[in-house]
Amino acid sequence: DAGITQSPRHKVTETGTPVTLRCHQTENHRYMYWYRQDPGHGLRLIHYSYGVKDTDKGEVSDGYSVSRSKTEDFLLTLESATSSQTSVYFCAISESPGASVYGYTFGSGTRLTVV
Amino acid sequence: GENVEQHPSTLSVQEGDSAVIKCTYSDSASNYFPWYKQELGKRPQLIIDIRSNVGEKKDQRIAVTLNKTAKHFSLHITETQPEDSAVYFCAASDGAAGNKLTFGGGTRVLVKP
Repeated sequence: DAGITQSPRHKVTETGTPVTLRCHQTENHRYMYWYRQDPGHGLRLIHYSYGVKDTDKGEVSDGYSVSRSKTEDFLLTLESATSSQTSVYFCAISESPGASVYGYTFGSGTRLTVV
Repeated sequence: GENVEQHPSTLSVQEGDSAVIKCTYSDSASNYFPWYKQELGKRPQLIIDIRSNVGEKKDQRIAVTLNKTAKHFSLHITETQPEDSAVYFCAASDGAAGNKLTFGGGTRVLVKP
């Protein structure tokens, strides 16, 4: 398929527990991103990575951390899940701006429910 | 940071008619403007994009126009078909470190047969 997979696809967790979502790519793209999608808000950037061990915050990073120890894997951790973090989480990958194919490729998403 | 506004939030058209979605952006440094289509329960997929050195780009029934002076860009879908029903997102990027995209809030398009 698109060379990017997310796991798990669905998860229900309790308030206060830590949760880790995984994004795995086989495209060897440099950039990886985590977005959340909520009705009326479109897609909002949580964190992104521009290389192994190089990460930075997006516009809604509070309560989230990330790690990228290998080119192919980008992990998103909710340190202590809250109900406001109930959302659909999308991982995306992209090449460098100078590449011929520049746009994002998204994963299939993870639907997370915090109860 | 960049802010992208998208209108309308919902759009209902008759099959065969045209649909237009408009976006405005705030950062004059933005130079890349993609559009994504998201079908129900699926991932967003890139359908067309435009860079700031181009004013218009077409791909079959879809076209995007860009007005850098006014900082707005639009998606035009002609001869709409039921399979065009989806949520469409515009986005903008300045191509700086991280190639971050800022997305609009989305437009739900319904094409009525």
